[in-house]
Amino acid sequence: QVQLQESGPGLVKPSDTLSLTCAVSGYSISSGNWWGWIRQPPGEGLEWIGYIYNSGSTYYNPSLKSRVTMSIDTTKNQFSLKLNSVTAVDTAVYYCARKESGRNLFDYWGLGTLVTVSS
Amino acid sequence: EIVLTQSPGTLSLSPGERATLSCRVSQSVGSSSLAWYQQSPGQAPRLLIYGASSRATGIPDRFSGSGSGTDFTLTISRLEPEDFAVYHCQHYGSSPPMYTFGQGTKLEIK
Repeated sequence: QVQLQESGPGLVKPSDTLSLTCAVSGYSISSGNWWGWIRQPPGEGLEWIGYIYNSGSTYYNPSLKSRVTMSIDTTKNQFSLKLNSVTAVDTAVYYCARKESGRNLFDYWGLGTLVTVSS
Repeated sequence: EIVLTQSPGTLSLSPGERATLSCRVSQSVGSSSLAWYQQSPGQAPRLLIYGASSRATGIPDRFSGSGSGTDFTLTISRLEPEDFAVYHCQHYGSSPPMYTFGQGTKLEIK
């Protein structure tokens, strides 16, 4: 079965870069699908950050586009997120997820990782 | 910019009761672009409904979705203990792709 697992620092200083990786098991990311990041600030709703295809093509949320970079490593079956110039409003649980083939929704998610932005 | 507004923010019901959750969209959208997710405490969201009314694989038939245009509804016919969770609606927009979520409805035990 498809499993996703986020990893990365749980604490990031303001103005630094947040870096997370999502390891995928049970499915080859080279097979297709878009691979995405979604976050949820404490007590708030979900926010789509963007997604990446195995070719390296990306789409980002316009509200975050200037600060986001996603990459993919098919040899390690994982993909990554970088968000630069972070502030306290970037504190959130960050989820990685797989976009279902043929439909515009997310069918497999990681458990999420809390990233706190604080000095 | 499309905005999804879910109501109520919190819904308090007892097991066995019927739950009706609303998702209002700021402009008319196609039904194919609307989905619902369930998020239990400490868990990742789980896909429940896609295309406004189709149940995802393995979802019990007590869950149903309906609606069109700007008003969509998730109904849980008879609440089970495991149904008490937060529910999110999601809209997909194209050209370029954009996913928007509502703020969530918390379904709690009364």
